[in-house]
Amino acid sequence: DGGITQSPKYLFRKEGQNVTLSCEQNLNHDAMYWYRQDPGQGLRLIYYSQIVNDFQKGDIAEGYSVSREKKESFPLTVTSAQKNPTAFYLCASSIERQALYGYTFGSGTRLTVV
Amino acid sequence: DAKTTQPPSMDCAEGRAANLPCNHSTISGNEYVYWYRQIHSQGPQYIIHGLKNNETNEMASLIITEDRKSSTLILPHATLRDTAVYYCIVPGAGGTSYGKLTFGQGTILTVHP
Repeated sequence: DGGITQSPKYLFRKEGQNVTLSCEQNLNHDAMYWYRQDPGQGLRLIYYSQIVNDFQKGDIAEGYSVSREKKESFPLTVTSAQKNPTAFYLCASSIERQALYGYTFGSGTRLTVV
Repeated sequence: DAKTTQPPSMDCAEGRAANLPCNHSTISGNEYVYWYRQIHSQGPQYIIHGLKNNETNEMASLIITEDRKSSTLILPHATLRDTAVYYCIVPGAGGTSYGKLTFGQGTILTVHP
């Protein structure tokens, strides 16, 4: 079945460490996105990529980095510069740049800084 | 992106229709309205989208007013599994918001027995 796989589902990190969240899709979608969700809040866009080897900052990119070396993969690194990294992270993809057919979301990674 | 306004919460009895409103008074002529929902601790799920005409699929119906300034998502026979946060989204048609969905706080729909 086609879809988006995020791993791991739960992640614990010590303060000051970088951590990378995985996002893989086999939908042949061009565009991919990373969102952050805090308790009781909506989703906020971190980074997005419309095509391989290209990505743009979203609304809250500070303290995060991404790469898009392959169409299927869009990993997110949460760096030590991110002041409040504990959150629920969601990866999404869309069939084309216009996202006219909507987004497909992964099941999310819950990151906790200890 | 066009701004959307939704009530923070709504209740619905199981088996009844759930009608979720959304105001998008600043929508432009070529912007679609999308609806997603998010069940607790899962990724959002696409429900339906529309431009001008009313739309229906196996999950829901979308009614868009003639002036396109508001819409209503209808779940015809709500079940307990429909309890979720429902997001009404109008993505930008171009520029830096091209293809980018902006999620607000949505409406928490609680379906009770």
